[in-house]
Amino acid sequence: AQSVAQPEDQVNVAEGNPLTVKCTYSVSGNPYLFWYVQYPNRGLQFLLKYITGDNLVKGSYGFEAEFNKSQTSFHLKKPSALVSDSALYFCAVRRALNYGGATNKLIFGTGTLLAVQP
Amino acid sequence: DGGITQSPKYLFRKEGQNVTLSCEQNLNHDAMYWYRQDPGQGLRLIYYSQIVNDFQKGDIAEGYSVSREKKESFPLTVTSAQKNPTAFYLCASSINSGGPNTGELFFGEGSRLTVL
Repeated sequence: AQSVAQPEDQVNVAEGNPLTVKCTYSVSGNPYLFWYVQYPNRGLQFLLKYITGDNLVKGSYGFEAEFNKSQTSFHLKKPSALVSDSALYFCAVRRALNYGGATNKLIFGTGTLLAVQP
Repeated sequence: DGGITQSPKYLFRKEGQNVTLSCEQNLNHDAMYWYRQDPGQGLRLIYYSQIVNDFQKGDIAEGYSVSREKKESFPLTVTSAQKNPTAFYLCASSINSGGPNTGELFFGEGSRLTVL
């Protein structure tokens, strides 16, 4: 069965420091991996995705994520955190189409609250 | 601008009442989805539709119903059979193909339902 784990409920970081939000996944075959961000009482916004190719993926607002197949991880990173980055971050996964019958249904993790202190 | 519109943003319901949440998109997307969000549980899929006049149950469909009579619209009804309906409901849409945008969901701003 497909699943996504975000082991940290909350990550605290000081403004200007690098940040990492962790995500590990379990899926048969090649995964499509996503990061979304949610601000309070708002919908989710797409940040970045990995489908194939370079393991380091760059996305919106200076975020990037590194796909590591051997560790089945897709951690979200940013070199220098901003207070405005404080939000709830969701990792998500779906199966690649070549395994047949796949839709765009995403399986979401439980979310990690990022708190950036000034 | 293109996007997804959910209404109402806040809704209060008495126990035993059905309520319908609206979701409209003008992105020309084939697929639409309803997710439920509860604190600490992430997003759980209620129903999804890949094409007009067709929809499938997600992981937590009991107590909910949907329709997809038009490409642009995917309303969700929370029925009185749903035992714990208080939650934040999110509608999303996506391109339904294997192209480079596969899997990228576009979300509405959500509807917060509170049962009194």
